[in-house]
Amino acid sequence: DIQMTQSPSSLSASVGDRVTITCRASQIITTFLNWYQQRPGNAPKLLIYAASNLHSGAPSRFSGSGSGADFTLTISSLQPEDFATYYCQQSDSLPYTFGQGTKVEIK
Amino acid sequence: EVQLEESGGGLVQSGGSLRLSCAASGFTLSNYWMNWVRQAPGKGLVWVSRINRDGSSTNYADSVKGRFTISRDNTKNTMYLQMNSLRAEDTAVYYCAKDTFSWFDSWGQGTLVTVSS
Repeated sequence: DIQMTQSPSSLSASVGDRVTITCRASQIITTFLNWYQQRPGNAPKLLIYAASNLHSGAPSRFSGSGSGADFTLTISSLQPEDFATYYCQQSDSLPYTFGQGTKVEIK
Repeated sequence: EVQLEESGGGLVQSGGSLRLSCAASGFTLSNYWMNWVRQAPGKGLVWVSRINRDGSSTNYADSVKGRFTISRDNTKNTMYLQMNSLRAEDTAVYYCAKDTFSWFDSWGQGTLVTVSS
């Protein structure tokens, strides 16, 4: 199975901050990498698909980059509604696997 | 508007069975692969199973293989997850997710399955 490792596991940031979350795959997955946001008590929502494509309806302050095994999710200017847990997911091969999550908290 | 609604969760004893349903609306279910993903309390997301458009091909996580069965009825716009021989470690919120080229672009609100030992 492909292991997905996110860093950091949690972070504290202020509204307006630029936030970067990284995700590393245990093997090459080209650009088969997706990012999800999960607010407490809610279902996950797709933010970024195929490493760098913004999902319809996701705010433009979210962006994704990377290829191969190393990927980044960036929030250009953190907003109050962005405090949530973020997960990366590889869709290169079954079983699909998720990172352990990065919790973004208010500083 | 795309909507997915899970149902069928509840409390069951270890070794018991449950069948989850995922009702789809706002899109043509038969055009999409579908998945189940679960989340144990306070934990991360774990992929469980996938089914192709007509139900002829299925895949499972090793942890549920042989115990869970995914199926679909496109005429009823519904997907199912039959869960047998349930264990305490199957306790989780179960989400159904619409699969577009292997990313999950729509999710239901989830249904909680609690397995008591």
